[in-house]
Amino acid sequence: GENVEQHPSTLSVQEGDSAVIKCTYSDSASNYFPWYKQELGKGPQLIIDIRSNVGEKKDQRIAVTLNKTAKHFSLHITETQPEDSAVYFCAATPGGSYIPTFGRGTSLIVHP
Amino acid sequence: GAVVSQHPSRVICKSGTSVKIECRSLDFQATTMFWYRQFPKKSLMLMATSNEGSKATYEQGVEKDKFLINHASLTLSTLTVTSAHPEDSSFYICSARPRSRPTEAFFGQGTRLTVV
Repeated sequence: GENVEQHPSTLSVQEGDSAVIKCTYSDSASNYFPWYKQELGKGPQLIIDIRSNVGEKKDQRIAVTLNKTAKHFSLHITETQPEDSAVYFCAATPGGSYIPTFGRGTSLIVHP
Repeated sequence: GAVVSQHPSRVICKSGTSVKIECRSLDFQATTMFWYRQFPKKSLMLMATSNEGSKATYEQGVEKDKFLINHASLTLSTLTVTSAHPEDSSFYICSARPRSRPTEAFFGQGTRLTVV
């Protein structure tokens, strides 16, 4: 089955800095890679996603890159703000089962 | 679009009683719904996958007689924790997969269950 590794587990940055979270996956059949933001006591919310036929996608301050050959994908947040503080999960979804496998999460702390 | 409503957000129950959690897709039809359990500062643990009109598929180690899942319509799935014990206390989250976008999944707000 799919295995998703996510790093780092904790990331602390100053407001205005950039933050990068990296994930690797094992199943070459995975073709959909969403990123979720989870605030304390709430369910995860989809913030951006990328499909295997695209190398990069951007939405305002957040961007995601995908390297299919290396089986890497990353979340980039620029000009971080305190409200970006949350736990971020990556996931990889294979085309057959459509059941996502999640990374262990990254706790992002943005200091004002 | 793609709103998933989960109810209740918090529930406290006594040991031995049963608790039902509802998951509704408000603006789309969900052919599949997933139920997760999340421990503090941990990732999402998939408990079961339910398809509308058929029996749920449970992950290894999840007791199907304890965690009853019903997916009676394209917009509603329920998870019933039967004969709850304190060790069942956890954060339970559902997600729903839209019929029109089968690779995507949208989460509910989660339910904090405390068994006393």
